[in-house]
Amino acid sequence: EAQVTQNPRYLITVTGKKLTVTCSQNMNHEYMSWYRQDPGLGLRQIYYSMNVEVTDKGDVPEGYKVSRKEKRNFPLILESPSPNQTSLYFCASTLTSGVGSYNEQFFGPGTRLTVL
Amino acid sequence: GQNIDQPTEMTATEGAIVQINCTYQTSGFNGLFWYQQHAGEAPTFLSYNVLDGLEEKGRFSSFLSRSKGYSYLLLKELQMKDSASYLCAVRAENRDDKIIFGKGTRLHILP
Repeated sequence: EAQVTQNPRYLITVTGKKLTVTCSQNMNHEYMSWYRQDPGLGLRQIYYSMNVEVTDKGDVPEGYKVSRKEKRNFPLILESPSPNQTSLYFCASTLTSGVGSYNEQFFGPGTRLTVL
Repeated sequence: GQNIDQPTEMTATEGAIVQINCTYQTSGFNGLFWYQQHAGEAPTFLSYNVLDGLEEKGRFSSFLSRSKGYSYLLLKELQMKDSASYLCAVRAENRDDKIIFGKGTRLHILP
């Protein structure tokens, strides 16, 4: 089954304790993104990757890191989480980026993170 | 700047028709998406428009006018399960194919 998986689905942690949220897709997609979703603010892009070893900042990258060593995996790293990073996080993947091409984004199930 | 506007909330009755509007101002345009999102779940794809006009898919239709920076999602024969948020998203025209999301419209269906 074609899918995007994220782990963990729920996480409660404390300020300053490093954590990683994993994201994996089995569709051989080139383009992957991380979003956070907060009430009243909608989906905001944190980081994205156009292919292996190619990553770039989205709209709200502060406090986050990513890596793309393999095509299928795109982990999100919070080196020193803070309470303002409490949010619902979604990973998404798209076949390819291309002007005019029909590129639906497939979303993972989400990770609800609480930082105390 | 980049801006996508859609109403925050709407209410409609089961069996009726509802139209959710979206206006956008972006640096270029390479397509508009509509997604459905139930509370606490991931967004799921509904439609994609890149040319002007109406795209129909079952009970859902999406319209685009590029000259007006305007789209709408039309939901017919509303069902209780259509209670969800509806996200308008635009693919802006830049080298990284960025997709910008609106804040979503929460649709409440009354019996």
